[in-house]
Amino acid sequence: SQTIHQWPATLVQPVGSPLSLECTVEGTSNPNLYWYRQAAGRGLQLLFYSVGIGQISSEVPQNLSASRPQDRQFILSSKKLLLSDSGFYLCAWSNPETGYGYTFGSGTRLTVV
Amino acid sequence: AQKVTQAQTEISVVEKEDVTLDCVYETRDTTYYLFWYKQPPSGELVFLIRRNSFDEQNEISGRYSWNFQKSTSSFNFTITASQVVDSAVYFCALSSSGNTPLVFGKGTRLSVIA
Repeated sequence: SQTIHQWPATLVQPVGSPLSLECTVEGTSNPNLYWYRQAAGRGLQLLFYSVGIGQISSEVPQNLSASRPQDRQFILSSKKLLLSDSGFYLCAWSNPETGYGYTFGSGTRLTVV
Repeated sequence: AQKVTQAQTEISVVEKEDVTLDCVYETRDTTYYLFWYKQPPSGELVFLIRRNSFDEQNEISGRYSWNFQKSTSSFNFTITASQVVDSAVYFCALSSSGNTPLVFGKGTRLSVIA
């Protein structure tokens, strides 16, 4: 069965510091991968999605970036965090052939101070 | 453009009451997929159901049931005999082909009071 791992679970970072969040999927090949953000008390906003290694689509202009160095690895980064980057970050995957999946990782709660 | 509307921001019910969470969607695609997720206080998104646009049969899973009506572009979720453990934020979502990012509604916060 497929599983998705996301870490760290919580993170407190100062303004201006870099960020790296990692997501990996097991049990499937060539998944579509997604990064979503949820601000406190708000809905889910799509940040990036990837249909293959090195292929990244950005949905929202911001100081975040994403990379997919391996088939089942998706990384969310920032060179300099802003206060507004605080939130709950969720990674998800789907199977592009069957349309199944859309399973989410357990999330990373980021607080920028 | 695709859109999902969950008009109910917050609902509060007493335990054992039935409650329906509304979801209305907009899409120009003929093939699409609808989802419901539960987000408990821990934050993780728990998958509840996936329904494709060609299957309008209602679904029941224990105390949960879903009513999909293409004529009104709605995919409503009913919890029968609610329990305190049902307290969570519930999200409705849409994907145009099952191969594209999910578009989420803003969520409905359900509080079940003992």
